[in-house]
Amino acid sequence: QSALTQPASVSGSPGQSITISCTGTSSDVGGYNYVSWYQQHPGKAPKLMIYDVSNRPSGVSNRFSGSKSGNTASLTISGLQAEDEADYYCSSYTSSSTLHVVFGGGTKLTVL
Amino acid sequence: QVQLQESGPGLVKPSETLSLTCAVSGYSISSGYYWGWIRQTPGKGLEWLGGIYHSGSTYYNPSLKSRVAISVDTSKNQLTLKLSSVTAADTAVYYCARVGSYYGSGTYYLRYFDYWGQGTLVTVSS
Repeated sequence: QSALTQPASVSGSPGQSITISCTGTSSDVGGYNYVSWYQQHPGKAPKLMIYDVSNRPSGVSNRFSGSKSGNTASLTISGLQAEDEADYYCSSYTSSSTLHVVFGGGTKLTVL
Repeated sequence: QVQLQESGPGLVKPSETLSLTCAVSGYSISSGYYWGWIRQTPGKGLEWLGGIYHSGSTYYNPSLKSRVAISVDTSKNQLTLKLSSVTAADTAVYYCARVGSYYGSGTYYLRYFDYWGQGTLVTVSS
């Protein structure tokens, strides 16, 4: 069982917007602005899409955006494209024990 | 362009020690950043194993207790992961990654993983 809770799957049609949630606690998501999101295609390494809740690394499409409210962070993908179909993981710094980093269980995005 | 490349045995016997190396190119480990290891299993998703700063400061996942050790060789610009007493549950794809961090109040706040290796599958089996 992962420390951060994500929906197992979400789906949307091309051109639509979807949101993936990531729920933690006040020891991680709610307590720090150090939430990041990763995209992973089959057989590939994860790719950083969002860091520090809402910042995009250079080269990442502005169709990807992040936000946070309380203990829940969210990743929104607008204008869905077929290439967005992938697994998405959230991660957060945590002050719980000496772990320092926790991940969500991942969400499978299907573009219909 | 920062690149990371994991290498090591793809098959390890139960109770033995798993040893992996991550060669870093395009960036000098001595210049800064935290460097970490993450593994991925079908059942447990992504799992943070631990990390190291070039100065030698380390953080480990407490669930691995004393089985994990991470070191850095700045002369070779690489980091190493050792995981002892492995079982089938340690079968996974192992990744190394560069870690964006913030240092404050005596703690490294590990913020994100911006560069990843391609990953290497390690199977634990006799």
